[in-house]
Amino acid sequence: KNEVEQSPQNLTAQEGEFITINCSYSVGISALHWLQQHPGGGIVSLFMLSSGKKKHGRLIATINIQEKHSSLHITASHPRDSAVYICAVRSYNTDKLIFGTGTRLQVFP
Amino acid sequence: GAVVSQHPSWVICKSGTSVKIECRSLDFQATTMFWYRQFPKQSLMLMATSNEGSKATYEQGVEKDKFLINHASLTLSTLTVTSAHPEDSSFYICSARAQGVNTEAFFGQGTRLTVV
Repeated sequence: KNEVEQSPQNLTAQEGEFITINCSYSVGISALHWLQQHPGGGIVSLFMLSSGKKKHGRLIATINIQEKHSSLHITASHPRDSAVYICAVRSYNTDKLIFGTGTRLQVFP
Repeated sequence: GAVVSQHPSWVICKSGTSVKIECRSLDFQATTMFWYRQFPKQSLMLMATSNEGSKATYEQGVEKDKFLINHASLTLSTLTVTSAHPEDSSFYICSARAQGVNTEAFFGQGTRLTVV
């Protein structure tokens, strides 16, 4: 079992839909990152969380430390949101990032 | 967020030659830089961690003589793939972090290496 599990692996949506991507982890962490990777490969850091909730524009990220679970929400999705979204946790023990396998999102007009 | 610039974004080289990839933190001092490799449709795999002014720490299975990492300043780290072979073809991406507890990591744009 992977230390960081994401679901779903693939997601398609119509423009305007509300989207949720989930991340569960099994290790002790000091922080959790949500990353966005576009087809060209570059990675953008969307959020770094250690507790609670953060919001940036149409993106919302939440984390429940007790349940070892985080969610990334996209409101009013748009085709430009199409990308791979990656959950990564910073291991409390090693201080290294452990990556989920990513969620491939496609938003159609 | 902070900016990490990686160069080149793509490179094609002949087998047996060496390729250098640069990773620069443009607006902060990166005491720690990470080098990752990513195969198609797979997650990032950590190759090595480098701290400014000291030798890089390589992950198990990564050949340090093949993947030379230098982190000579607080804004620049380089990865040199020596005597490249087609199996080294991959997407390489760096990440940089400032000193401190729970500082955020920022990623470069990545370098697609093709060895022919």
